[in-house]
Amino acid sequence: GEDVEQSLFLSVREGDSSVINCTYTDSSSTYLYWYKQEPGAGLQLLTYIFSNMDMKQDQRLTVLLNKKDKHLSLRIADTQTGDSAIYFCAVTPRDDKIIFGKGTRLHILP
Amino acid sequence: NAGVTQTPKFQVLKTGQSMTLQCAQDMNHNSMYWYRQDPGMGLRLIYYSASEGTTDKGEVPNGYNVSRLNKREFSLRLESAAPSQTSVYFCASSSFWGGNEQFFGPGTRLTVL
Repeated sequence: GEDVEQSLFLSVREGDSSVINCTYTDSSSTYLYWYKQEPGAGLQLLTYIFSNMDMKQDQRLTVLLNKKDKHLSLRIADTQTGDSAIYFCAVTPRDDKIIFGKGTRLHILP
Repeated sequence: NAGVTQTPKFQVLKTGQSMTLQCAQDMNHNSMYWYRQDPGMGLRLIYYSASEGTTDKGEVPNGYNVSRLNKREFSLRLESAAPSQTSVYFCASSSFWGGNEQFFGPGTRLTVL
């Protein structure tokens, strides 16, 4: 069945770039999402990309989509302490289904 | 606008007790969802309601029931709670199913002893 894989943890020094990776099995998603979850809160949409795009940039965030390899990544430039959170990749392989990855916990080192 | 609200924020139950988790949204969204979040398991869909008057099972529906009371409200009921249902429960809503941003509530932390 459909699956979304992410590494569980990532540690990055403050000021460096963070790159969070996601791979998925089903290639039919129209939208691919990145959600952010801060401690004690629900998920909040961070950014998304349409399946016909290769890249999307939004201020410090860059999303790259490689449809051939079924690989999605989120790059956060100049990582700040406020970026410390869990980041979820999510895909929509068909109209009645949304699949979330297990989330990547981003830890910021001083 | 309050967005998506959930009550209660915390709840402790004994095995076999029942309870209903409440969710409401004020964004006039058609679709609503219930997820559970467990460590190392990510987010798993329990039930969803693509539109008012419809409900469907998600990935992990066993032990739960839902009611889409009206367009605003979507409740999740545990008839006989089990320790395996200890989790954080999130309600979410979106304009339409599948292709649009989901807005999440703050969650309900449930412990079943």
